[in-house]
Amino acid sequence: DQQVKQNSPSLSVQEGRISILNCDYTNSMFDYFLWYKKYPAEGPTFLISISSIKDKNEDGRFTVFLNKSAKHLSLHIVPSQPGDSAVYFCAASVRGDDKIIFGKGTRLHILP
Amino acid sequence: DGGITQSPKYLFRKEGQNVTLSCEQNLNHDAMYWYRQDPGQGLRLIYYSQIVNDFQKGDIAEGYSVSREKKESFPLTVTSAQKNPTAFYLCASSIGGGEEKLFFGSGTQLSVL
Repeated sequence: DQQVKQNSPSLSVQEGRISILNCDYTNSMFDYFLWYKKYPAEGPTFLISISSIKDKNEDGRFTVFLNKSAKHLSLHIVPSQPGDSAVYFCAASVRGDDKIIFGKGTRLHILP
Repeated sequence: DGGITQSPKYLFRKEGQNVTLSCEQNLNHDAMYWYRQDPGQGLRLIYYSQIVNDFQKGDIAEGYSVSREKKESFPLTVTSAQKNPTAFYLCASSIGGGEEKLFFGSGTQLSVL
């Protein structure tokens, strides 16, 4: 029973264009969402997060949008750069629970 | 220089053998976690600990054991009961108490001989 779903295993985007990574969740109790970036054979690094009281959070080239009614969030990267090529994980939690559930990840390829 | 240290980077296990993966953090974080990554499976939670001398099972705890005797250490033992142990293991920590931003170590690749 997958509570956090990333339905696109991979995505290819031209350098300079916008990358949009999607994530769906099933547990309506989730109230905190995070995106992580991971390179091969390394640990994931935190990118950006959003609380359920907001519908948008922006940090430089990265913006996360949350649609609670659809149980959907997305990560926008603009403009996309070669160093953005990595696997991106969506994660969710219930505040105070300390248990964080990850999706399966989406591999992003930035094309020259 | 604060962070999370996992060792070893690579580990090989023989059939029927228990092996222990080390995880140490000097971030003064209360919560610590173990995740397993398999190709196409993302990160799956094995065990987590919110405080010293206490830990909870994650989604795939069978065949694994942990201890949390010190705040900075959270070792994971892969027992012989874990029939498919080959994976990339990631340790993480967070401030805890509702602050769920995780800091990850660099991982341990475990393979079966």
